[in-house]
Amino acid sequence: QSVLTQPPSASGTPGQRVTISCSGSSSNIGSNTVNWYQQLPGTAPKLLIYSNNQRPSGVPDRFSGSKSGTSASLAISGLQSEDEADYYCAAWDDSLNGEVFGGGTKLTVL
Amino acid sequence: EVQLVESGGGLVQPGGSLRLSCAASGFTFSSYEMNWVRQAPGKGLEWVSYISSSGSTIYYADSVKGRFTISRDNAKNSLYLQMNSLRAEDTAVYYCARVAAAAGYYFDYWGQGTLVTVSS
Repeated sequence: QSVLTQPPSASGTPGQRVTISCSGSSSNIGSNTVNWYQQLPGTAPKLLIYSNNQRPSGVPDRFSGSKSGTSASLAISGLQSEDEADYYCAAWDDSLNGEVFGGGTKLTVL
Repeated sequence: EVQLVESGGGLVQPGGSLRLSCAASGFTFSSYEMNWVRQAPGKGLEWVSYISSSGSTIYYADSVKGRFTISRDNAKNSLYLQMNSLRAEDTAVYYCARVAAAAGYYFDYWGQGTLVTVSS
């Protein structure tokens, strides 16, 4: 049981816009920034979005993040086949004194 | 180029011990906080442990507290995870991850991972 809650799966067709939600509590998302990681099949996770809505250099602007209260979301517009991956939200938890992750969302491009 | 290379994984019997290493290069290792994160086969990411840049502050997930010990040698640009009293549920790929130096708290670089299998 993950501390942050994500839907286990999401899907869309090429060109579509999809969103992935991440729900937490006051001790994690409610008081700290949210980060998103993308994990392509068979590879290590890669930073996708940091500090709620910032993109590292090299990440296309098709990817965007937002946060409100104790929830956050990742949006992917202009969906492409190479976006098929697992996506994880994460945040520091002040009560646990550790990083907490969502259970991951497997994105399928139909 | 920032590189994190884990090693030390392998097959170990329940109750056994293993020491993982993470060799860092391409950046000033002593200036960065580091973490271990694991991923059981077919499962999601689970944070394991954190260590500050000097090694003076350390945190553990409850699932490994008292059994795992994180440490670092800044002179050798290396991060370690000593794992004792291993259980089947510790079977996972273990990643080392660097905390970004910029404002905010996030993992900007990850290693490729090393697989630990606990089985008799």
